[in-house]
Amino acid sequence: GAVVSQHPSWVICKSGTSVKIECRSLDFQATTMFWYRQFPKQSLMLMATSNEGSKATYEQGVEKDKFLINHASLTLSTLTVTSAHPEDSSFYICSARVGQGDQVNQPQHFGDGTRLSIL
Amino acid sequence: DQQVKQNSPSLSVQEGRISILNCDYTNSMFDYFLWYKKYPAEGPTFLISISSIKDKNEDGRFTVFLNKSAKHLSLHIVPSQPGDSAVYFCAASARRLARGSQGNLIFGKGTKLSVKP
Repeated sequence: GAVVSQHPSWVICKSGTSVKIECRSLDFQATTMFWYRQFPKQSLMLMATSNEGSKATYEQGVEKDKFLINHASLTLSTLTVTSAHPEDSSFYICSARVGQGDQVNQPQHFGDGTRLSIL
Repeated sequence: DQQVKQNSPSLSVQEGRISILNCDYTNSMFDYFLWYKKYPAEGPTFLISISSIKDKNEDGRFTVFLNKSAKHLSLHIVPSQPGDSAVYFCAASARRLARGSQGNLIFGKGTKLSVKP
C-alpha cells in the first residue's frame, strides 16, 4: 500500500519552456503532499507543502511564481516549473502523507522523482 | 545550519554482519524520526520510524534506537544483505516548527551503505 506515482520520470527541454510534473497517490487519499528538490550529493530540500483545496505553503527562498503548485484533488498534486532555465535543472521528488491534516506523525511516501534537464 | 546530520557519507559492511547508521539532530522540537532507503533514480522508500516517546522500534532486520538526551538516533540492520546496499536518509519532523509547518520532514545528507558478499 501507500504507492505514490510521479510523472514524467525524465524531462529534457529548451530554456524558457514550462514543465509540469504530476504526483498521484494511487491507493490512498492525501490531503497533504510535499515537493522536494535534490541537488547532487545533497539532502532532499523541501520546496513547498501542497494542501488539497488551498494554496501551497512555500519554503523560504522558493519563488511561488516560478514553481506553481496545484492540489486539485485528494490524489493529485502538480508542480509546474515556469519558464525553466538551466539553473532549474535538478531532481524533483514529491511525497504524500497518509492521514488527515493533523496526523503529522505519519510517514511520507515518495514518488520516484523527475529528473529535469534544461538545455 | 543543518538540523539533521549524517556525518558518515559512506559505510561498507560484510554480508551477514551488522550495519549501524548514525544520525544526529539539533532541534529539540523534533518528535518523530524516520529512516528512508534510496536506490539511484528512485524516490526514497520508507523503512522505519520512531516517536520521541519511545527509545527503540524494531521491524524485522531493522531496529531504530533513539537517544533523546544525546539527540542521536541510529539504524541497525542485522544481518546485512547485499540488497541493502543503498543510500540511507535520516529524517525528522515536529508537530510545529518555527514557521508553523506541521510535519515537514528535515533530511540528513544520507549515508551510502555498501554490503559486500
